[in-house]
Amino acid sequence: ELKVEQNPLFLSMQEGKNYTIYCNYSTTSDRLYWYRQDPGKSLESLFVLLSNGAVKQEGRLMASLDTKARLSTLHITAAVHDLSATYFCAPRGSNYKLTFGKGTLLTVNP
Amino acid sequence: GAGVSQTPSNKVTEKGKYVELRCDPISGHTALYWYRQSLGQGPEFLIYFQGTGAADDSGLPNDRFFAVRPEGSVSTLKIQRTERGDSAVYLCASSPQTASRGGYTFGSGTRLTVV
Repeated sequence: ELKVEQNPLFLSMQEGKNYTIYCNYSTTSDRLYWYRQDPGKSLESLFVLLSNGAVKQEGRLMASLDTKARLSTLHITAAVHDLSATYFCAPRGSNYKLTFGKGTLLTVNP
Repeated sequence: GAGVSQTPSNKVTEKGKYVELRCDPISGHTALYWYRQSLGQGPEFLIYFQGTGAADDSGLPNDRFFAVRPEGSVSTLKIQRTERGDSAVYLCASSPQTASRGGYTFGSGTRLTVV
């Protein structure tokens, strides 16, 4: 059974600072997704990482995947208030189903 | 349609009642998934359809939960004898076949409250 551990679960940052969210998973997965969720809203797809060493960047967010270590990271550069949200990683396991982490609640303070 | 549509957006029901939650996937998407998200948690897998058949229903918590997709498009999640612990947001997602290149599009969810 695929298990996912995200940390930290809560992250309070100052604007302009950098930080990294970590996502560890327990068994082989063929790809990994990162999602953003705003309060009361659904999931917005940020990145899909398909292979070992994959790196994707969009604005102030950069995601990477190390399949050998079963680790993905989401790096935030020079945070701004608009990035405040909950971020989930979700590796894909058997039967194409996603297993989500508990999420990281990010708060960016001025 | 343009996105995954879920109805109703909110449902309040009394303990013991029966509820149906509907998901209308993106046209042409053959794969459909139901997830449940409890407060403060990540979504948890319930069931996956490929076409009309349930390819994996291992996430359904018990036999009070049942889902159908009779014509391979719209799906209905049915919950019998609802309990307060069933209160959650039920999310539906669809993908083209097995999301071989792209991703999964999630609907806005149905917030179910059992009182």
